[in-house]
Amino acid sequence: GESVGLHLPTLSVQEGDNSIINCAYSNSASDYFIWYKQESGKGPQFIIDIRSNMDKRQGQRVTVLLNKTVKHLSLQIAATQPGDSAVYFCAEKGGYQKVTFGIGTKLQVIP
Amino acid sequence: NAGVTQTPKFRILKIGQSMTLQCTQDMNHNYMYWYRQDPGMGLKLIYYSVGAGITDKGEVPNGYNVSRSTTEDFPLRLELAAPSQTSVYFCASRSGLAGLYEQYFGPGTRLTVT
Repeated sequence: GESVGLHLPTLSVQEGDNSIINCAYSNSASDYFIWYKQESGKGPQFIIDIRSNMDKRQGQRVTVLLNKTVKHLSLQIAATQPGDSAVYFCAEKGGYQKVTFGIGTKLQVIP
Repeated sequence: NAGVTQTPKFRILKIGQSMTLQCTQDMNHNYMYWYRQDPGMGLKLIYYSVGAGITDKGEVPNGYNVSRSTTEDFPLRLELAAPSQTSVYFCASRSGLAGLYEQYFGPGTRLTVT
């Protein structure tokens, strides 16, 4: 989602539950999408990617869903763990060297 | 591999001072990028390079300069620091191989201009 002012959207999840983080992208011509995880004080880290000719891709404990009709991307994390606490943001590739990063969602895992 | 390294980790500058943020990668990646990240905002591209000797402006290049004399290094120069340049700066790289767009990020440099 979009942030208001300086505040990131926050998702609080109980440890062991599944998390779903959403992202609305802007460019209908974007052909590639990435989810990044950013822990406090660190650089972003690649989680999973998906091409526009796919609607679902699974990794280890993570699944990305792509709905091109409504320009929506989601990241599902299964059995959320305390180590999953971080800011998650999506990125879309819309053209040559044109990668746009979303604002991010803060995931808080409650032990 | 150390991946992408950045120095310094933190820096405080006075208005009008200059500094260079260093970035090095040991993955033999062709593509390198500089981003800034402000609170509550997405990463904004400052400059990028597709190979040694080739650089180009990103979304927010004003007040910055870059050079790429080697594959490994991509320093970012601030000539006349302004408070608006207070931010966290990330360097990133990717291989440039067809179909691989994953960027590898450094740990960041937190810059404060007062």
